[in-house]
Order: sequence, then C-alpha cells, then structure tokens
Amino acid sequence: QVQLKQWGAGLLNPSETLSLTCAVYGGSLSGYYWSWVRQPPGKGLEWIGEINDSGTTNYNPSLKSRVTISVDSSRNQFFLRLSSVTAADTAVYYCARSGRYFDWLAGGQGTLVTVPS
Amino acid sequence: QSALTQPASVSGSPGQSLTISCTGTSSDVGGYNYVSWYQQHPDKAPKLMIYDVSNRPSGVSNRFSGSKSGNTASLTISGLQAEDEADYYCTSYTTSSPLYVFGTGTKVTVL
Repeated sequence: QVQLKQWGAGLLNPSETLSLTCAVYGGSLSGYYWSWVRQPPGKGLEWIGEINDSGTTNYNPSLKSRVTISVDSSRNQFFLRLSSVTAADTAVYYCARSGRYFDWLAGGQGTLVTVPS
Repeated sequence: QSALTQPASVSGSPGQSLTISCTGTSSDVGGYNYVSWYQQHPDKAPKLMIYDVSNRPSGVSNRFSGSKSGNTASLTISGLQAEDEADYYCTSYTTSSPLYVFGTGTKVTVL
C-alpha cells in the first residue's frame, strides 16, 4: 500500500520561506504527478502545484511567483518551497498523488503551517 | 479561473438521498470529463470519492454516485448515513491554467 509522509516547519515568521517534504513509501514516484494542496483554517482547498519524477512542474498562476516544487527520485521524495510567506499563507498543507484527480493515499495527514500577522 | 460553485450546505435524514451540485464553465466542468469529488471529515485529509465524473475508486461505497450535465456536475449520496456527515469538494481538471480548480465546498448534515 502506497503511503505518504510529510514534514516541515510549522511556524514561520513573515517573509520567511516555507519548506515541506513529502516522502512516498511502498511505491515509486514514476508514472504519476505529485501535488501540493493547501487549506486555510475553516476554508476550502487550493491547488498549489505538481511535479512528476522527471521534474516537470505545473503551478497555480496565483502562487507561481513564490512557489518551487522539486523532486528527488532517488529518495522517493518531493518538496515544496513557498517564499515570502505572510499570514495569508497560514494553512494546512497536503501532499497528494495527482493526475486528473487527487489521491491522498494513506498517511497524508497534512502539515499546519502558521504565519503570525 | 474562479472556484467552482457549490451550495454551502445541504442536509438530509438517514436513509434519504441528497445531491450536491458543482457549477463551472465550459472551460472546466463543461469542457472535460475530469470532475472528481472529495469527502473531508473534520481535521482529516480529503478522501477521493468519485473521479472522471462518475467512477468510484475501490473501497468507496456504491451509495456515492456522480454525473454531469453541461457545466454542472453532481454528487448523489443515497441511503444517507450518519458517517456521511462531512464537507464535500468537487474539482475539475483542465488543460488550461490552473490545471485544477476546486469547488467552494458543501457541508453535508445528517439530521
């Protein structure tokens, strides 16, 4: 059974860079895209971007100027970096497998990232 | 691209059926058969319930069904159960940017 495990800093100061890692266990990155999705407290879901094992990326234009998604296929991991964070970036960040739809798989618990105003 | 429009809340009694709508445009919902639906319980990650308009992943109850007409997709829950009380989101995959657009979300209450 493919599982995801994510980690990263949960509290940032304004203007810092958010950095999260998502590891894939029990399967390979190959053949899929892998996405980051976020959800501000009490609000809806927002797609941030995705990457495949070759490093091809697609980003949401609303965040593109601040987002970098990268991959390390040798470690079965992909990463999210979001620069110049503000309080508006406070959210639970999820990693998920994507490709026309999102599959959160087992273990994708999300990471709450808080940026005080 | 704007978020897809869903009703903020719907409710029903156990055993009843209810339908959640997801309205977009010809550039997203209407243009592709790539609508998916997600169930999210409080403080949990979303769960895929329907993909490609009407397909159910393995393990999802057949009480959940999806359909689409024009620019509006729908998720129907039949035989409503207490465990169905959750938030539901639709998503449309497109070939334009952004690739994925989420719906505004619907809170389902089982009375």
